[in-house]
Amino acid sequence: EIVLTQSPATLSLSPGERATLSCRASQAFSSSYLAWYQQKPGQAPRLLIFGASRRASGIPDRFSGSGSGADFTLTISRLEPEDSAVYYCQQYGSSPGVTFGPGTRVDIK
Amino acid sequence: QVKLVESGGGLVRPGGSLRLSCAASGFTFSDYYMDWIRQAPGKGLEWVSYVTGDGGTRNYADSVKGRFTISRDNANNSLYLQMDSLRGEDTAVYYCARDLGQGQLDIWGQGTMVTVSS
Repeated sequence: EIVLTQSPATLSLSPGERATLSCRASQAFSSSYLAWYQQKPGQAPRLLIFGASRRASGIPDRFSGSGSGADFTLTISRLEPEDSAVYYCQQYGSSPGVTFGPGTRVDIK
Repeated sequence: QVKLVESGGGLVRPGGSLRLSCAASGFTFSDYYMDWIRQAPGKGLEWVSYVTGDGGTRNYADSVKGRFTISRDNANNSLYLQMDSLRGEDTAVYYCARDLGQGQLDIWGQGTMVTVSS
């Protein structure tokens, strides 16, 4: 089973700044099978990125994903107050099912 | 409008059973895999189970295998999770989610809370 680790655990930034979130896997896998989700307090997760770099429908272009092998990155280019949330990376496409990273909390000062 | 609505959560004693439901609308339900994901209080996301569109293939996390059963009724656009032999560590919000086929979960319900406690 592939284990995902995310860093940092918490990120505290100001509006307009750039956020860089890291997701590292215990072994390399196809970038086609890496997704990122955003979860705000009291809400269900929302799919942001799939296939490592493809934005889901309705996701603003300030969110971008990159990476390959075992190292992946989610970048939020210009933070907005509503981007305050926990962000999870997810590996999929393998048996028995998907695995999630532990999450990175982004706080907007 | 694409929507998923879970129901059936509640308080149950250890060793008890509960059946969760997820009502789907706004899309052709039978075309999609469906998953259950859970989140313990203050914790991260844990995948629980998925079922293929025709219901023919199901898979489970090791933590629930042999105790939980996923099923679906395509005629009524509904997904279910039968949970037996419940334990304290099963306490969580349970989400149903639409699966694009390999695990990308593009639509989520609002979740239903399950509390296992004596």
